[in-house]
Amino acid sequence: EVQLLESGGGLVQPGGSLRLSCAASGFTFSNYAMNWVRQAPGKGLEWVSTLSSDGVGTYYADSVKGRFTISRDISKDTLFLQMNSLRAEDTAFYFCAKDQFGYPVAWGQGTLVTVSS
Amino acid sequence: EIVVTQSPATLSLSPGERVTLSCRASQSVSSSLAWYQQKPGQAPRLLIYDASNRATGIPVRFSGSGSGTDFTLTISSLETEDFAVYYCQQRSDWPRGTFGPGTKVDIK
Repeated sequence: EVQLLESGGGLVQPGGSLRLSCAASGFTFSNYAMNWVRQAPGKGLEWVSTLSSDGVGTYYADSVKGRFTISRDISKDTLFLQMNSLRAEDTAFYFCAKDQFGYPVAWGQGTLVTVSS
Repeated sequence: EIVVTQSPATLSLSPGERVTLSCRASQSVSSSLAWYQQKPGQAPRLLIYDASNRATGIPVRFSGSGSGTDFTLTISSLETEDFAVYYCQQRSDWPRGTFGPGTKVDIK
């Protein structure tokens, strides 16, 4: 069974940094592209970033480009999202999701990031 | 950027009714469209991918159709567990994938 467990969320001041982690199990982590998708409280879904299955290709939404960095550690089956220069509008639940057939097919339960002074 | 819209914003229905949700893309996405279901406090769940393929474990009462710019998710007979928010997502320019704003299906 695929399991994805996000951690690392919390309260951070504007301009601060946070690193999210997503521990994966139940599948061969290194064989799949992985995504981060966020959802502001009470709002819709927004694609944030994708890491290709070979771990080389990194892709970002315009809203986070230059501030967020996606990466992985295949020895630990863990996906990361380094978030710098955080803004109030980055406040959201952040979900990691396994990509298959070109879509996020399995999702974690999310971790909440709150950017506020 | 491809903009995705959904209609209606909210539907109030009774169990057993047939449901048709619409999703429209601002330009053709071929068949690169998915549907997700999200219940309060839960992560989204993939229902349909590539416009008409049911994901693993999804009941047959869920079906998807369409191509190009216009897509439909149909629930043949609403079950109580189907009351939720439904999102569509285009992925024609993978991995960038814009989501629609969602349609909430609630109990009449």
